[in-house]
Amino acid sequence: ETGVTQTPRHLVMGMTNKKSLKCEQHLGHNAMYWYKQSAKKPLELMFVYNFKEQTENNSVPSRFSPECPNSSHLFLHLHTLQPEDSALYLCASSQDNTGNTIYFGEGSWLTVV
Amino acid sequence: QKEVEQNSGPLSVPEGAIASLNCTYSDRGSQSFFWYRQYSGKSPELIMFIYSNGDKEDGRFTAQLNKASQYVSLLIRDSQPSDSATYLCAVTTNFGNEKLTFGTGTRLTIIP
Repeated sequence: ETGVTQTPRHLVMGMTNKKSLKCEQHLGHNAMYWYKQSAKKPLELMFVYNFKEQTENNSVPSRFSPECPNSSHLFLHLHTLQPEDSALYLCASSQDNTGNTIYFGEGSWLTVV
Repeated sequence: QKEVEQNSGPLSVPEGAIASLNCTYSDRGSQSFFWYRQYSGKSPELIMFIYSNGDKEDGRFTAQLNKASQYVSLLIRDSQPSDSATYLCAVTTNFGNEKLTFGTGTRLTIIP
């Protein structure tokens, strides 16, 4: 248990569906991250929020829409995804974005059909 | 050109031996270097970080950094079956997390 909880753990969605991934951290951290992990590829940073403000968007397609209502919660809204978006989506948090240890959640396995 | 390169493995090491994992990076401005361990079906967890050239030891783990040659390695002494996992190397150009770039990972198997 890392203190970062992600739901759902598994999600299957059609290309026309709209769904959301949720992340909650119980560590009192101020920075939260979304990463994508695909088979045979490096972990890929998607978004960074620091004190609820987005500080990094790593050229992510607009069909992925993040939301950070407060420092403890982070969402990833999904719509009109493609099969190649199927991957493990990892949420992470750290004290802030200046080099502290990053703690990852268990991930949400997404399959787009 | 890959920014952070690792041999994907699998790397098989007998129990009790030293496992050596290597990572090279392309950006000479890289400042911070991290090793994460990821068990199958689980999330990555940080096991070591190193900022300065040389060795850094933590229990059975030793991280080695050579900025001139642009490589960082992780040595695991007295390897145990529980060390079997994928090891991810990550690099950042500053002392922050926003540009943390990961390698694809090396799958390590410790043979009893």
